[in-house]
Amino acid sequence: QVHLVESGGGVVQPGGSLRLSCVVSGFNFNEYAMRWVRQAPGKGLEWVAFIRHDSSHVYYTASVRGRFTLSRDNSNNTLYLEMTRLTADDTGVYYCSKCDFGEFGFYYYMDFWGKGTSVTVSS
Amino acid sequence: DIQMTQSPSTLSASVGDTVTITCRASQNINRWLAWYQQKPGKAPKVVIYKASTLQIGVPSRFSASGSGTEFTLTINSLQPDDFASYYCQQYNSYPITFGQGTRLETK
Repeated sequence: QVHLVESGGGVVQPGGSLRLSCVVSGFNFNEYAMRWVRQAPGKGLEWVAFIRHDSSHVYYTASVRGRFTLSRDNSNNTLYLEMTRLTADDTGVYYCSKCDFGEFGFYYYMDFWGKGTSVTVSS
Repeated sequence: DIQMTQSPSTLSASVGDTVTITCRASQNINRWLAWYQQKPGKAPKVVIYKASTLQIGVPSRFSASGSGTEFTLTINSLQPDDFASYYCQQYNSYPITFGQGTRLETK
């Protein structure tokens, strides 16, 4: 069974930092791309970042580029999202998601999601 | 960026009804579209991928169609478990973008 468990969320002051983790099990982590998606309170879904299975390609949404760093440790089945210079707009639930195998090495949808970890940026 | 526009934003229906949600992309996304179901306080769950392919384990009362810029999700014979929010998402190009969501509520 596929499991994704996020952790590392919490309350942080504006300008602060957090490191989210996502520990996975039930599949060969080193074969799959991964994404983070967030959801502000009462709002819709927003894609945050993507990393290929081998870390060869990493993409970010414009609002976090330069502030967030996505990485993975395939030997420990763990995905990381390092978040710095946090603002109130970064508040929300952050979901780690597994991508499917993809087509043509580029077109991936998200077939499994974790339960999310909550991030609140507030003074 | 590709804008995804869903309609309606809210849909009121009863058990047994058939409902359709529409998603429009601001530019051609071929068939690289997924539909997700989300219940309050829960993670999203994929229902449909590649515009019309039913995810394993999803009931056959869910169906979807479309390509290019126009897509639809149809749920036949609504069941109590189907009342939730639904999001379309394009994965044709980065940034990945979602529709604003459609809340399917009990009439």
